[in-house]
Amino acid sequence: NAGVTQTPKFQVLKTGQSMTLQCAQDMNHEYMSWYRQDPGMGLRLIHYSVGAGITDQGEVPNGYNVSRSTTEDFPLRLLSAAPSQTSVYFCASRLEGGRSYNEQFFGPGTRLTVL
Amino acid sequence: GNSVTQMEGPVTLSEEAFLTINCTYTATGYPSLFWYVQYPGEGLQLLLKATKADDKGSNKGFEATYRKETTSFHLEKGSVQVSDSAVYFCALMTNAGKSTFGDGTTLTVKP
Repeated sequence: NAGVTQTPKFQVLKTGQSMTLQCAQDMNHEYMSWYRQDPGMGLRLIHYSVGAGITDQGEVPNGYNVSRSTTEDFPLRLLSAAPSQTSVYFCASRLEGGRSYNEQFFGPGTRLTVL
Repeated sequence: GNSVTQMEGPVTLSEEAFLTINCTYTATGYPSLFWYVQYPGEGLQLLLKATKADDKGSNKGFEATYRKETTSFHLEKGSVQVSDSAVYFCALMTNAGKSTFGDGTTLTVKP
């Protein structure tokens, strides 16, 4: 199993550009999520999905869109990049089914810089 | 809302020293508690977990006990190694599946 994969690893954008961060998992996990990690602020949830065709907003959704057309893939779209979106982005997945003790599996992250 | 408060870092220790990283939480109900570790340039990976009061999670010499009376889940290790240098995150997950992470504590172990 490859686990959770993310591409690209690094990206530099100019203000106003758009792009898609890719995330895929091969563990047949229902739940997938996107976090951003900023210094001294831990991880903050952007969007999440409990299954194909179902997505919902997290704590900091503004400026980001998601879709979930398959169980495996959960791309994150930046509509019009802003310097405030400079961050490290992590995709995670886990089993669903109401089990609160299911650990999350994280991808290696995408380091995004917006100039 | 839910929250997780971690001991502020960074923490610097000598090899073989005793480690404690404090973690307290606020949540309704009975969340599960986790410690994740992040090595440089990598994503987070689960270190240990506990799903109910008085449970002790342990892995790689690290331990943490779910203390409901003090709403705490402190991470301990008796003798740290240079390879333990990383960022450690305390986290909770509610029965509804919502996760909350602490801000992370950076540990540096010097030889």
